[in-house]
Amino acid sequence: GQNIDQPTEMTATEGAIVQINCTYQTSGFNGLFWYQQHAGEAPTFLSYNVLDGLEEKGRFSSFLSRSKGYSYLLLKELQMKDSASYLCAGPGPGGGNKLTFGTGTQLKVEL
Amino acid sequence: NAGVTQTPKFRILKIGQSMTLQCTQDMNHNYMYWYRQDPGMGLKLIYYSVGAGITDKGEVPNGYNVSRSTTEDFPLRLELAAPSQTSVYFCASSEGSGQYFGPGTRLTVT
Repeated sequence: GQNIDQPTEMTATEGAIVQINCTYQTSGFNGLFWYQQHAGEAPTFLSYNVLDGLEEKGRFSSFLSRSKGYSYLLLKELQMKDSASYLCAGPGPGGGNKLTFGTGTQLKVEL
Repeated sequence: NAGVTQTPKFRILKIGQSMTLQCTQDMNHNYMYWYRQDPGMGLKLIYYSVGAGITDKGEVPNGYNVSRSTTEDFPLRLELAAPSQTSVYFCASSEGSGQYFGPGTRLTVT
């Protein structure tokens, strides 16, 4: 199984860059996911890393280091609409397609 | 392509009542999941299914039951509702990487 740890809250300024970190246990690793969840809405898939390194998708990038059990989500050119909770998720107990989610990092973007 | 749909969107139950939360997906995904999310918390897996006719318990299954008679549908049954089951319930489906979530059902038990 997994313990997924991520900061509870972060605040950043519009137009800036923010990095949201996530650490997890390395046993049974099968990929690391990031989801975005706006208040009152369902989580939406952002990224999936299975290999080490940085993957870029427009303003959002995700990094993984499997040996360190560490990932981060990098958000560039922050916009007000990026204010949301960002959930890190790793393989759940028993593996397969089950996921264990962190409690999420609430990002507030200010002017 | 509607993706994952859930009904109802909101429901208030009295203690001891029963209800079924409906979930349907039209992406022909084999994997389906039920989660609950309490305020300020992450998602907790209740039950999951790897295909029609196959279901298994997740992290917090007590007080719930599921069935999977078709690929498309994965209903969640609450028997004898309790205040501890007040939560937002999300259904999701996947095939390979990435789970796709329905809009959620907000349930209050009083």
